[in-house]
Amino acid sequence: EVQLVQSGAEVRKPGESLKISCQGSGYNFGNYWIAWVRQMPGRGLELMGIIYPGDSDTRYSPSFRGQVTISADNSITTAYLQWSSLKASDSAMYYCARTVSILRGVPVRLDPWGQGTLVTVFS
Amino acid sequence: QSALTQPPSASGSAGQSVTISCTGTSSDVGAYDYVSWYQLHPGKAPKLIIYEVTKRPSGVPDRFSGSKSGNTASLTVSGLQADDEADYYCTSYSGTSTLGFGGGTKLTVL
Repeated sequence: EVQLVQSGAEVRKPGESLKISCQGSGYNFGNYWIAWVRQMPGRGLELMGIIYPGDSDTRYSPSFRGQVTISADNSITTAYLQWSSLKASDSAMYYCARTVSILRGVPVRLDPWGQGTLVTVFS
Repeated sequence: QSALTQPPSASGSAGQSVTISCTGTSSDVGAYDYVSWYQLHPGKAPKLIIYEVTKRPSGVPDRFSGSKSGNTASLTVSGLQADDEADYYCTSYSGTSTLGFGGGTKLTVL
């Protein structure tokens, strides 16, 4: 069974750093792009960026470039999303998802998804 | 602002059918057959229920169907069940590297 399992909920203070994870299983992890998707409270879904674990090629959506860092360790089939200095506005649910692409770095659908990691930032 | 427009809410009685629309442009929904729909239940992993406009992944009931006309894609849920109450999002390939989401539709089963 293809599965993505994310790390647990996190509570941090503004200015702190954070790294959350997404471990894949049941498929060749290095051969599929992984996407990170944000859902702020009461809001819709936003694609933050994608990474190809096979060579760590990473693409960021314009709104998120410079705000987060996406990385992956193919040897342990895990992708990461990290912040160096959290803001209260980073409070959200974050999902990872395996992408299906028609061209390199061009996702057309997301399947499956992880269960989500809730990040809460408050002072 | 979402690239794709969905109604914020939809509702139907148990056993009835409901259709949720996803309106884009001639550059995304109208140009490509890469529309997908996702179901989000609180506390659960989001689930792909329709891809490439009309296709259902294995395990998705045939009560869920997709279609497209011009720049608008639609998701129809037939024989509504209580468990269908969830948020639904569409996406469409747009010829760029960014996958845009619709604003989401909250489906209520009355």
